[in-house]
Amino acid sequence: AQSVTQLGSHVSVSEGALVLLRCNYSSSVPPYLFWYVQYPNQGLQLLLKYTSAATLVKGINGFEAEFKKSETSFHLTKPSAHMSDAAEYFCAVTPNSGYSTLTFGKGTMLLVSP
Amino acid sequence: KAGVTQTPRYLIKTRGQQVTLSCSPISGHRSVSWYQQTPGQGLQFLFEYFSETQRNKGNFPGRFSGRQFSNSRSEMNVSTLELGDSALYLCASSPGQGIQETQYFGPGTRLLVL
Repeated sequence: AQSVTQLGSHVSVSEGALVLLRCNYSSSVPPYLFWYVQYPNQGLQLLLKYTSAATLVKGINGFEAEFKKSETSFHLTKPSAHMSDAAEYFCAVTPNSGYSTLTFGKGTMLLVSP
Repeated sequence: KAGVTQTPRYLIKTRGQQVTLSCSPISGHRSVSWYQQTPGQGLQFLFEYFSETQRNKGNFPGRFSGRQFSNSRSEMNVSTLELGDSALYLCASSPGQGIQETQYFGPGTRLLVL
């Protein structure tokens, strides 16, 4: 079964610093990969999606992620953190069974300090 | 276009009761999925409906059930509530079915079982 592992339940950065949130997937074939963000008391918002069209995927709010097959990774980055980026981030993968069911990682809480 | 809406947003029930949650997908979307989010287990898939048929089901007991109507609106029901059912229940919709589809999430229904 497909799975994703997010390294670090909490990541702390200063405003203006680089954001790096790690995600590794397990898959024998290239999967579809997603990053979602969840703000307090809200649902999940799609940041970006990898569908094998390009290895570097640009998303909303200045985020991007790079698919690296050799490392089975799909890390999320943003060059300069903003206070409004503080939220929980989830990496997710869809199975190869034909369903659109998402399997989520445990999430990484991003803390941004002034 | 209006997003995914879920009602009610908050619910308090007692053990042994049953509950029904409602989800209205984005207009034109035919697939609806449900997820349970808890601090301990994270985000877990419950079931997916497409064209009024359950297409996929997660590993949850039979107390959890759902259905989809001809207008794509969906309901999920939990019978004989247990304390462990306290969670945020998220509904997601997508235009069709398949691994290439992007799921768009609603704000969730927060259920507290006392």
